[in-house]
Amino acid sequence: EVQLVESGGGLEQPGGSLRLSCAASGFTFSGYEMKWVRQAPGKGLEWISYITGSGLSAYYADSVKGRFTISRDNAKNSLYLQMNSLRAEDTAVYYCARSTGHYATDYWGQGTLVTVSS
Amino acid sequence: QSALTQPRSVSGSPGQSVTISCTGHSTDVGAYNHVSWYQQHPGKAPKLIIYGVNLRPSGVPDRFSGSKSGNAASLTISGLQAEDEADYHCSSYAGSSTSYVVFGGGTKLTVL
Repeated sequence: EVQLVESGGGLEQPGGSLRLSCAASGFTFSGYEMKWVRQAPGKGLEWISYITGSGLSAYYADSVKGRFTISRDNAKNSLYLQMNSLRAEDTAVYYCARSTGHYATDYWGQGTLVTVSS
Repeated sequence: QSALTQPRSVSGSPGQSVTISCTGHSTDVGAYNHVSWYQQHPGKAPKLIIYGVNLRPSGVPDRFSGSKSGNAASLTISGLQAEDEADYHCSSYAGSSTSYVVFGGGTKLTVL
């Protein structure tokens, strides 16, 4: 059974940093591209970052480029999101997600809430 | 503001059909056959129900169907059931490194 379990969310002050982790199991992690998608309270979904299976290529939405860094450790079946220079508008539930054909997302974690507030 | 435009809400009675629209642009929905739809119940993670415009993952009932015309995509749910009440999000590949995948703002489906 495919499982994605996020951790690392919490309350952080503006300008601060957080590192999210996602533990993957039930599939060959290195064989899949992965994404981070977030959802602000009461809002729609927003793609923020993508990484290839090898970890050699990564993309970022303009809203987080230069502040967030996606990475993965295939030996540990883990995906990460380093978030720096946090802003109030980064407040959201962050989902770790597995990519499938047609650039869709077939498995999602349960999400971890990040709140940026003073 | 979301890249793709969806109605904020739709409703229908059990047994009826409803269609949710998703309007994009020539750079996303109109350019690629990579439209996906996700169902999200309150407090839960999204669930993939349609990908590649009209393909259903294993286990998704055939009551759910997708289509596309030009820059707009649609999700149709036939034979509405109470458990279909949820938020529905459309998504499209957008082909650039900073706009890799774009989403709509989500549509709340109410089963009357």
